[in-house]
Amino acid sequence: DAGVIQSPRHEVTEMGQEVTLRCKPISGHNSLFWYRQTMMRGLELLIYFNNNVPIDDSGMPEDRFSAKMPNASFSTLKIQPSEPRDSAVYFCASRVGWSTEAFFGQGTRLTVV
Amino acid sequence: GQQVMQIPQYQHVQEGEDFTTYCNSSTTLSNIQWYKQRPGGHPVFLIQLVKSGEVKKQKRLTFQFGEAKKNSSLHITATQTTDVGTYFCAGPNPVTQGGSEKLVFGKGTKLTVNP
Repeated sequence: DAGVIQSPRHEVTEMGQEVTLRCKPISGHNSLFWYRQTMMRGLELLIYFNNNVPIDDSGMPEDRFSAKMPNASFSTLKIQPSEPRDSAVYFCASRVGWSTEAFFGQGTRLTVV
Repeated sequence: GQQVMQIPQYQHVQEGEDFTTYCNSSTTLSNIQWYKQRPGGHPVFLIQLVKSGEVKKQKRLTFQFGEAKKNSSLHITATQTTDVGTYFCAGPNPVTQGGSEKLVFGKGTKLTVNP
């Protein structure tokens, strides 16, 4: 298994532009998480899905952030418009069932200039 | 909401010294997980503790879950340069809410080892 796959690995964009981050979870995993990691805030949970349904999006910072999971093998996190303070590493993670280990993707390092 | 607090935030040791990081939750946890993130890498699962007072060992790493299931610790004996990284604890929603898949991470303890 290739693990959780995220793309792109690096993204540099200008303030105001739309950014879309992509994630392919491990096949068979029914939970998917999006995290944002910064030095100041650590690993923040943005949103998580269970069986493709958003269960908790209380961590999504603003309306500029949106996430979708149209099917079990794909999810996107979109920022529109992007701002410099959105610069961070964004991780996607998946797992099967409750209280099991989460598998993380390699992350997308986003820089907004 | 649930908070998972970790201390210390940073720890620098000489190779061969021991290292401990502590994790405290504001509420009772059904289980707690530990992850390690190498510099430039992604978090990787180490272990999960479920039972009150549980102790598990992985070579030089010892993990404990408190009797009240509100705190946990990770102890590394005789650190090596390969132990460098950030160690995170993570917990689900409180059991009082019937459990949840939501996985909340502490801010982590960054360990550096001087050879």
